Amino acid sequence: NAGVTQTPKFQVLKTGQSMTLQCAQDMNHNSMYWYRQDPGMGLRLIYYSASEGTTDKGEVPNGYNVSRLNKREFSLRLESAAPSQTSVYFCASSEQPGHWSTEAFFGQGTRLTVV
Amino acid sequence: GQQVMQIPQYQHVQEGEDFTTYCNSSTTLSNIQWYKQRPGGHPVFLIQLVKSGEVKKQKRLTFQFGEAKKNSSLHITATQTTDVGTYFCAGLKGSGAGSYQLTFGKGTKLSVIP
Repeated sequence: NAGVTQTPKFQVLKTGQSMTLQCAQDMNHNSMYWYRQDPGMGLRLIYYSASEGTTDKGEVPNGYNVSRLNKREFSLRLESAAPSQTSVYFCASSEQPGHWSTEAFFGQGTRLTVV
Repeated sequence: GQQVMQIPQYQHVQEGEDFTTYCNSSTTLSNIQWYKQRPGGHPVFLIQLVKSGEVKKQKRLTFQFGEAKKNSSLHITATQTTDVGTYFCAGLKGSGAGSYQLTFGKGTKLSVIP
């Protein structure tokens, strides 16, 4: 059982380049999330998708776009990478948003460096 | 927007000492979750608290949810080196139209000195 799979694990980009981070979950979860983690800043929500077909901005959406391709997949795109986007990116999924939501399962993370 | 504040940011303890991290929200939460992240790893779910005043225990870990559902704490009794990592609280709050956000605190990084 793979859980949440992120690709790639590591990436170095030049300023201005674009790339897409892929995320897939095999738990039939409705909700998916993208977070970035920076030293001393904890986990900050970039975008989330409460269910297939919907996406919403989180705390730090600027410079990113997302696509909920289907129930399994939720991708994060950087159109023009900037050094400030150097971070560790985590994708997560949970069964259902709401009062009785269950735990969020995280992928292994993508370490992105923008030079 | 929703703020989830967590203190302290760092804590160094001698093995065998107790440890507590506190989480406070500016708004009432639907529930609160706690996660642990080992160095170099990803966050892993520990527990969820839903009811006002709820207390849950997992071996040496005790989790509390405040009466007003705005604050929470995690207490570890007699820390061990295996407790090393960063502990995050995460608050779930509705953001309208049936949509919810899971907002994390900045975490408390625990170091345990053998």
